[in-house]
This record gives sequence, C-alpha cells and structure tokens, in this order.
Amino acid sequence: EVQLVESGGDLVKPGGSLRLSCAASGFTFSNAWMSWVRQAPGKGLEWVGRIKSKTDGGTTDYAAHVKGRFTLSRDDSKNMLYLQMNSLKTEDTAVYYCTTDVGGDWLEHWGQGTLVTVSS
Amino acid sequence: DIQMTQSPSSLSASVGDRVTITCRTSQSISNYLNWYQHKPGKAPKLLIYASSDLQSGVPSRFRGSGSGTDFSLTISSLQPDDFATYYCQQSYSGPATFGQGTKVEVK
Repeated sequence: EVQLVESGGDLVKPGGSLRLSCAASGFTFSNAWMSWVRQAPGKGLEWVGRIKSKTDGGTTDYAAHVKGRFTLSRDDSKNMLYLQMNSLKTEDTAVYYCTTDVGGDWLEHWGQGTLVTVSS
Repeated sequence: DIQMTQSPSSLSASVGDRVTITCRTSQSISNYLNWYQHKPGKAPKLLIYASSDLQSGVPSRFRGSGSGTDFSLTISSLQPDDFATYYCQQSYSGPATFGQGTKVEVK
C-alpha cells in the first residue's frame, strides 16, 4: 500500500524558513516523480512544484509564486521528499500535500498534508 | 498559464441523483485533464485521469469525458460517500493548474 506522510508544518513568522518532509513507502520511490500541492484556508488546490526521478534527470519545476523561494529535494536512500521554504509570506499559509506525480500527467497518491501557518 | 473554469462552484443534490460538473480550459489541452475528490481533513483522491480513464478502485458511477477545451465529470447515481469537493486539473503545458472546485452538498 502506498503511504505518504508529511511532517514539519509549523507556525513561522513572515520572512522565516521551514523544511517540510514527506516519508514515502509502498512503492519504488527512486523511480517516482514527486510533487507538492497546497491548499490555503478556504481556497482550492494549487500546485507548488515537482521533482523528477534521478533516472529522468532529477530536475525540478516550480510554480511562479514560489520560484526562487522554495526548493524541492529528495533522498532516495531514505525514501524521503523535502520542501525547503524560505522567505515565507503570509500567503504561503496552507496545508501542504506530498503527491506521486505520474510522468507529469496526473497526481496519483496523496498524503494527508501538513499545516504551515505564516503569521507574526 | 492555462486557466481553468469549473462550474458550478457548488450544487445541492440528493442520494441517487445524477450530477454533472463541467470544466473549461483557456486553450486546447487534448485529453490532459484529471479529476480529484477532496473531503475536509482528508487526502485528495484521484478519480479520473486522461479525461476518461477511471483510476483503480474508483466506483464505475464516476465517468469523465471531453477533449480540447470542454470536459465533464458525471456521477451517475450520487452516493452518501460522494458529498465532497471536486477539482479538475490540467497537465498539458506549463504549471499544473486546478479548477476552483465544485462543492457537492446534501440537498
């Protein structure tokens, strides 16, 4: 059974940093593309970014609203996905979901999410 | 970026009703359109991918159709477990973008 478990969400001040983690199990993580999607309070789903498998280049893509501030990385030896968030803004407040990304075409499996609150 | 327009934004329906949600894109996306179900406090769930392919384990009362710029998700006979918010998402080009969601509520 595929399991994705996010952690690291917290209350942080504007301008601060936070690193989210996603522990993956039940599939061959090293072969998987992975994405982060977020949902701000009362809003819809918003794609944040994607990291490809190392065999597909390991490259990353980001949504415009986080590019230059957020960084995706992965540790295939630990089956872990990370989202480093810097220069956080109040509008980054959201539940952040880790997902498997099937070749950039659809988001198949999702975690339960972790809440990030950016507030002074 | 490709814009997504979902309608309606909400609807009220009863168990057994046939429900249809539509999604229109700002440019043609072939069949690169997916549908997700989301319940409060839960992980979103993939229902339909590539416009009309049913994700494994999803009941056959869910049906997706469309191509180009116009798509729809139909629930043939609404069940109690189906009250949720539904999102369309395109993966044709640029950043993945979602519709604003359709909340299906109890009438």
